[in-house]
Amino acid sequence: SQQGEEDPQALSIQEGENATMNCSYKTSINNLQWYRQNSGRGLVHLILIRSNEREKHSGRLRVTLDTSKKSSSLLITASRAADTASYFCATDGSSNTGKLIFGQGTTLQVKP
Amino acid sequence: EPEVTQTPSHQVTQMGQEVILRCVPISNHLYFYWYRQILGQKVEFLVSFYNNEISEKSEIFDDQFSVERPDGSNFTLKIRSTKLEDSAMYFCASSEVRGVVEQYFGPGTRLTVT
Repeated sequence: SQQGEEDPQALSIQEGENATMNCSYKTSINNLQWYRQNSGRGLVHLILIRSNEREKHSGRLRVTLDTSKKSSSLLITASRAADTASYFCATDGSSNTGKLIFGQGTTLQVKP
Repeated sequence: EPEVTQTPSHQVTQMGQEVILRCVPISNHLYFYWYRQILGQKVEFLVSFYNNEISEKSEIFDDQFSVERPDGSNFTLKIRSTKLEDSAMYFCASSEVRGVVEQYFGPGTRLTVT
């Protein structure tokens, strides 16, 4: 079965620095999404990139997708303490039922 | 802003008991999902639901699990006879359409089976 795997598993940076998280997957996809989860809370959708897109921006977020390498990266620029959370990539595995397959996540700590 | 709500926020039950987890999806959404997250592990898909039918279910979603949309607003997950390994956070999600769209997640129900 497909697995999305993020690296690093944990990342600690200072406020103002950039944070980069990577995700790899194994099967073909229609799209890849990134979600954020604050401790003990639900998931919040950040950004979606389709399989025919290579890069997408949303505010301080930049996502890239390389389907030939089956990988994606999430860049958060000028990080803030409020960005402290876990970040997950999720793919649809070419399913058309809306099923999302999540990776293990990267735990980001931004120190003020 | 519309949001997905879930009740209860925390449910403690004894092994073998039945539990029903409730969700109110966003009102104009047509596609509904349940996921679970065992402590310290990744979020796992359980089931997707549309037009009063299961669209897809995972291997986790065995005969002990069922879903229902009993009225126009609620979406429920029932576990008939809970096991210790069912202890997890259960998230409900909904989307307006199917496929290449974002899903809106509820805050989750923490289920503890003792």
